[in-house]
Amino acid sequence: RKEVEQDPGPFNVPEGATVAFNCTYSNSASQSFFWYRQDCRKEPKLLMSVYSSGNEDGRFTAQLNRASQYISLLIRDSKLSDSATYLCVVRSPNAGKSTFGDGTTLTVKP
Amino acid sequence: GAGVSQSPSNKVTEKGKDVELRCDPISGHTALYWYRQSLGQGLEFLIYFQGNSAPDKSGLPSDRFSAERTGGSVSTLTIQRTQQEDSAVYLCASSKGTSGSGTQYFGPGTRLLVL
Repeated sequence: RKEVEQDPGPFNVPEGATVAFNCTYSNSASQSFFWYRQDCRKEPKLLMSVYSSGNEDGRFTAQLNRASQYISLLIRDSKLSDSATYLCVVRSPNAGKSTFGDGTTLTVKP
Repeated sequence: GAGVSQSPSNKVTEKGKDVELRCDPISGHTALYWYRQSLGQGLEFLIYFQGNSAPDKSGLPSDRFSAERTGGSVSTLTIQRTQQEDSAVYLCASSKGTSGSGTQYFGPGTRLLVL
């Protein structure tokens, strides 16, 4: 079993749709969680950190469920520009190593 | 300010040759990471440097791979006797926080093709 697993996708949604991605992690000691976005042939860029209480940034909402060891990303009112691969990242305490999920590909269509 | 830079942006080499990939982290960032991403795949952790601590080399796939970080800044990833399966994008990232807690900022990567 992989340390970090994501919905394989691809997700193909129309503009304006709401879409949610899930990510599960196996190390219960993990402390830091992030969502990164990666455009085709580009480097990953931080989308948002995920906090225990959940957090929102505009149309994006991230949630953490420690009991079930998963995090989620919700995108409301999808835009064409949201088309990308979304990477779930989990980091253990006092460890530099970050484990990336394989990513979920989202395509938003007109 | 300047972001993470990597060079070369593209590298084509012949099987069996050695290659060196360079990463310049963001000034002041104490942590530096190397990852590898094969086509259509996720990021594979290779190595992590934090300040003057011994690097975490747990992700290096074989002894053909090595990395160093001079003066706590620039890092070089060396692949000896390259193989075709080494072909991938090699990404470097740096972060500000200690204990690997900071957000990672990625460079544009080096696309390596081993013929």
